[in-house]
This record gives sequence, C-alpha cells and structure tokens, in this order.
Amino acid sequence: EAQVTQNPRYLITVTGKKLTVTCSQNMNHEYMSWYRQDPGLGLRQIYYSMNVEVTDKGDVPEGYKVSRKEKRNFPLILESPSPNQTSLYFCASSPEGYEQYFGPGTRLTVT
Amino acid sequence: AQRVTQPEKLLSVFKGAPVELKCNYSYSGSPELFWYVQYSRQRLQLLLRHISRESIKGFTADLNKGETSFHLKKPFAQEEDSAMYYCARIRPYGNNRLAFGKGNQVVVIP
Repeated sequence: EAQVTQNPRYLITVTGKKLTVTCSQNMNHEYMSWYRQDPGLGLRQIYYSMNVEVTDKGDVPEGYKVSRKEKRNFPLILESPSPNQTSLYFCASSPEGYEQYFGPGTRLTVT
Repeated sequence: AQRVTQPEKLLSVFKGAPVELKCNYSYSGSPELFWYVQYSRQRLQLLLRHISRESIKGFTADLNKGETSFHLKKPFAQEEDSAMYYCARIRPYGNNRLAFGKGNQVVVIP
C-alpha cells in the first residue's frame, strides 16, 4: 500500500530533551516536506526536500533540523524542544511538489 | 506575505443547504490552485485541483482570475462533508512548493 508513515504518533516530552520524528514514504517521491498545524494558523511548512541531500527552509524552520540521506526517509529533529513547539506535525511526500500525500500526523507536547 | 486567504475560520451549515468556502490568492501570473480536506481522524488529502475542472464528492471550484478567487462550492451539504478544508496554491518562484491558507472548519448540522 502506497503511504507515508510517521513515528511516533503521540509524544510528550520535556523542554530541552532532543527528539526525532521519523517519516518514511514508499512511493519513490522526490519531494518531501514537514508541516506544523496550529489552531488559527493553518498549515505552515517547516522544511522541505527536493531530493536526496537537498533540503531547504520553509516558513518556520527555527528550532528544527532535517536530513535526507535516503529518498524514502525525511526525519524531523528537535535538538532542544521548547513549549512553543507543541503542535501537530505532518510529513508529506509528492512526486512533483504539487499533489501532497500526507502522513497521519504526530501530536507533540513539550512541557 | 500571505498568498492564500481563507476569511472564515468556522462555517456551520444545515444538511441540504449550499456551502461555499472562500479562497482568495495574491496575484502572480497563472496560478495553480488546490483544495485539500481533512476529515476527522483522517489524514489531509487532496480534494480537487483547478486544472482538472472536475467535481469531487459534489464539490466544484472555479478559478476566477479577475477576482483572484478559487471558492469551493457544493449545492447540498451532507453530514460527511464536516471537515477542515484548506485552499492551497503553488508558490511563485517557490520550487514547486505549496502555500496553504489557514483553513476552514465546516460543520454540517443534521
């Protein structure tokens, strides 16, 4: 089944404790992105990648890192999480950048 | 700068009534626009794109370049249409990236 998977789906952590949210797609898509979804702010892009080893900042990259060592994986790293990073995070992949296939979401709470 | 504007955050309509979600975009050449939908407990998914000019689940959206709008319409709302709807466009000079609006929560009242 063609899909985008994210892990974990739910995470509660404390300020400053490094964490990684994994994202994997099995559709051989070139493009992958990370978004955060917040009430009243909609979907905002954090980082995106156009191919292996090619990443660039989105609209709200501060406090996040990504890597794209393999085509299928695009992990999101929070080196020192803060409470303002409490949010719902979505990974997405796309063959051309337009039609995005979204993962199920990861709900992160930073206390 | 906000490239996609969805003015209403929450829209409540009665079952069987028409529903219209407004979307305006900032002008830039020939835009490509999309509507995405997120049903409860499901992942965000593409509903329709303007170049396909098709009706999906009874929804249509017409690109109006004069008004820079791409409003989503359905003549008779159903309960299963309750969801979050996002308008999106391809960013000008944006490496095939999408810019999303802030979304509309639609509640269809039985």
